[in-house]
Amino acid sequence: KQEVTQIPAALSVPEGENLVLNCSFTDSAIYNLQWFRQDPGKGLTSLLLIQSSQREQTSGRLNASLDKSSGRSTLYIAASQPGDSATYLCAVYTGGFKTIFGAGTRLFVKA
Amino acid sequence: DAGITQSPRHKVTETGTPVTLRCHQTENHRYMYWYRQDPGHGLRLIHYSYGVKDTDKGEVSDGYSVSRSKTEDFLLTLESATSSQTSVYFCAISEPDQPQHFGDGTRLSIL
Repeated sequence: KQEVTQIPAALSVPEGENLVLNCSFTDSAIYNLQWFRQDPGKGLTSLLLIQSSQREQTSGRLNASLDKSSGRSTLYIAASQPGDSATYLCAVYTGGFKTIFGAGTRLFVKA
Repeated sequence: DAGITQSPRHKVTETGTPVTLRCHQTENHRYMYWYRQDPGHGLRLIHYSYGVKDTDKGEVSDGYSVSRSKTEDFLLTLESATSSQTSVYFCAISEPDQPQHFGDGTRLSIL
């Protein structure tokens, strides 16, 4: 059974710091992996989607990598800002409309 | 977000009453999903649709039914609400192999 784990569960950093969020999954048979952010009381906002054949995707200050063989993905946030404070979730799509979500990392960027 | 409207945004109702949540999209995406988000369980798929009148069960479908009579609308019905169905419900849409996009959610409380 596919399981998705995100460590740490919470993270507090000063503004301007570069940071890495981790996502691990137990079964490498995935079609893609998606990173989301969720603000309190809101839905999920899609940040990046990495197909299983890709190694990384970039959008602005965000870079996501995927290592299927080791069951890991990282989300790198450069020059963090207070507006980056949110919960970040990763999700793996395993086929058959089945997407498994991690519990998220709650990020707080201090001004 | 991404042309997805969920209604109502908040609802309080009593055990045993029927409840219908609506998801409306303006993106003409083929796939639509209903998830629930609970502390300690993360996001879990209730039902999904892969076309008009084409729906199937997800991981936690017991006590829920869905209907999709038009591309843009996906309805989630709780036939006889129970307290265990108190949750935040999210609708999502996507095209095949493309990112999922989420609505802002419906907060449902069943007393």
